[in-house]
Amino acid sequence: DIQMTQSPSSLSASVGDRVTVTCRPSQGIITNLNWYQQKPGKAPKLLIYAASNLQSGVPSRFSGRGSETDFTLTISGLQPEDFATYYCQQTYIKPWTFGQGTKVESK
Amino acid sequence: QVQLQESGPGLVKPSETLSLICSVSGASLNGYFWTWIRQPAGKSLEWIGRVHTSGTKDYNPSLRGRVIMSLDTSRSQMSLRLNSVTAADTAVYYCAREDRYGEKYLFFSDLWGQGTLVTVHS
Repeated sequence: DIQMTQSPSSLSASVGDRVTVTCRPSQGIITNLNWYQQKPGKAPKLLIYAASNLQSGVPSRFSGRGSETDFTLTISGLQPEDFATYYCQQTYIKPWTFGQGTKVESK
Repeated sequence: QVQLQESGPGLVKPSETLSLICSVSGASLNGYFWTWIRQPAGKSLEWIGRVHTSGTKDYNPSLRGRVIMSLDTSRSQMSLRLNSVTAADTAVYYCAREDRYGEKYLFFSDLWGQGTLVTVHS
């Protein structure tokens, strides 16, 4: 299975900050990488698909980039509703696998 | 508006079979993969597998042949059966729709149910 390593595991930030989360697969996955946001007690929500495509209805402050073994999710101007856990997922080789998550907390 | 809703017993005894249903409203099952994903408390997400209306099924090998998924297009439902459960199968179980992007079929889960907690305990 492809191992997905996210960093950091958690971070503290303030409203308005620029936040970057990194995801590194154990092997190249071209751009078959998705990002999800999950709030406590809720289902994950798709933010970015195919590495850099913003899902419909997701604010433009979210962006994704990268390819092969190095991907980033950036939140440009953190909002109060963005405090959550973020997961990356590869859909290049089955079984699809997720990162361990990055929790974005309020400083 | 497309909605997914999981249902099934919240408590299953060890060695027995976990059975869940995902009811889909507002959209046809046709043309998509329908997937199950689970999440133990405080942990990350685990992809269980997916099924397509064409009959294609993909399961996570980590479940060692214990899983069966099926679709009932007439009822707009998807089902999950996981047999010989242990405490390690305790988790919130989500159903989700899997869509694809581009000619090379980059897959992603764009719609999710709210999830249902299944506890394995005697």
